[in-house]
Amino acid sequence: DAGVIQSPRHEVTEMGQEVTLRCKPISGHNSLFWYRQTMMRGLELLIYFNNNVPIDDSGMPEDRFSAKMPNASFSTLKIQPSEPRDSAVYFCASKAGGVTGELFFGEGSRLTVL
Amino acid sequence: DAKTTQPPSMDCAEGRAANLPCNHSTISGNEYVYWYRQIHSQGPQYIIHGLKNNETNEMASLIITEDRKSSTLILPHATLRDTAVYYCIVRVAFYHLNTGNQFYFGTGTSLTVIP
Repeated sequence: DAGVIQSPRHEVTEMGQEVTLRCKPISGHNSLFWYRQTMMRGLELLIYFNNNVPIDDSGMPEDRFSAKMPNASFSTLKIQPSEPRDSAVYFCASKAGGVTGELFFGEGSRLTVL
Repeated sequence: DAKTTQPPSMDCAEGRAANLPCNHSTISGNEYVYWYRQIHSQGPQYIIHGLKNNETNEMASLIITEDRKSSTLILPHATLRDTAVYYCIVRVAFYHLNTGNQFYFGTGTSLTVIP
């Protein structure tokens, strides 16, 4: 089992550029989550999908952020245009179905917007 | 949206038991208590969860008070590798399409194991 795979691990970009973060969940997991972590705000839930359908996107900060899950094995989080305040570590996590399944996190994508 | 309160930091001597408290005074009868930890900059890692009864696994023990308003995570013999931020999370046990899946992390407790 390869675990949750995220790419890129590190991204440095300039303000105004588009950023796309990618996530491959654990095979067979039907829920996928995107989190953002900063020193100031801690670990924030941005959005989660169930069976590829976005269920709760109330944590998405603004319209510059969008997330998609075109199939069960791939999701993207896009920021367009990026701003320095978007600098953070973005984690993807997946979970199997059922009430008490645990979250499995990827190693995160560290984004720096200059 | 975190419904838990934890001390910001704690120290523990290596080899001793680490007892990490969590207050969840507004917990509902259908909500579980979960514990995760985050070592340095890695993704959070599941430790244990429980509903009413105390639980134990190979990593830790979870003690939930009878009124369920608080709990304690116990690492029986702390090692230097247990230095991490520990998160206590409350989430609903009832699963519906649009609820019950969210895990909201608070600020956690930064545990430092001292040699």
